[in-house]
Amino acid sequence: EPEVTQTPSHQVTQMGQEVILRCVPISNHLYFYWYRQILGQKVEFLVSFYNNEISEKSEIFDDQFSVERPDGSNFTLKIRSTKLEDSAMYFCASSESAPGAATEAFFGQGTRLTVV
Amino acid sequence: GQNIDQPTEMTATEGAIVQINCTYQTSGFNGLFWYQQHAGEAPTFLSYNVLDGLEEKGRFSSFLSRSKGYSYLLLKELQMKDSASYLCAVRNAGKSTFGDGTTLTVKP
Repeated sequence: EPEVTQTPSHQVTQMGQEVILRCVPISNHLYFYWYRQILGQKVEFLVSFYNNEISEKSEIFDDQFSVERPDGSNFTLKIRSTKLEDSAMYFCASSESAPGAATEAFFGQGTRLTVV
Repeated sequence: GQNIDQPTEMTATEGAIVQINCTYQTSGFNGLFWYQQHAGEAPTFLSYNVLDGLEEKGRFSSFLSRSKGYSYLLLKELQMKDSASYLCAVRNAGKSTFGDGTTLTVKP
């Protein structure tokens, strides 16, 4: 069964360092998303991406965040200068059809980011 | 703004039926999703409603009333493996807003 894969599964970084979280969405999917979930809290939307550009972003997705689809398969989230409060599980998701269609988003298993 | 409310915790007995409610006030609406999330794992899709009414999928059903800003997830014939968090999420265009989740504990 096709799945969204994320690497690494765990990442520890020092405050102020840049990190890149990687995702390989399901191959025929066109819509890509990043979410985060701070331990014990709810899932929060960060950004959606379609046709090589950002469709929507939340207030969390400020200038220190960026997304990129550098090739035909990868979808990355970069955090430029990490802060302690960026520690969370980051989920990538993809969907086949446009938001609003009866289509589910498939989630990857997540990358646990710990900023020390 | 976006506001989604669901109960924090629920407990039910194996074999029983449980209903998890979700109310929402959002600035736009393109559908309501229910996800299941086991501790330490990714959310997995359960159901999607965009029109009023009941959607049934095996042991799981989901109901939506757009005029009331209300949905529920109904789980029948509960099994121990159904112990998890259940997340209500409202989609508006390309953005999904999640509720805090309801932690369901199924007891023997």
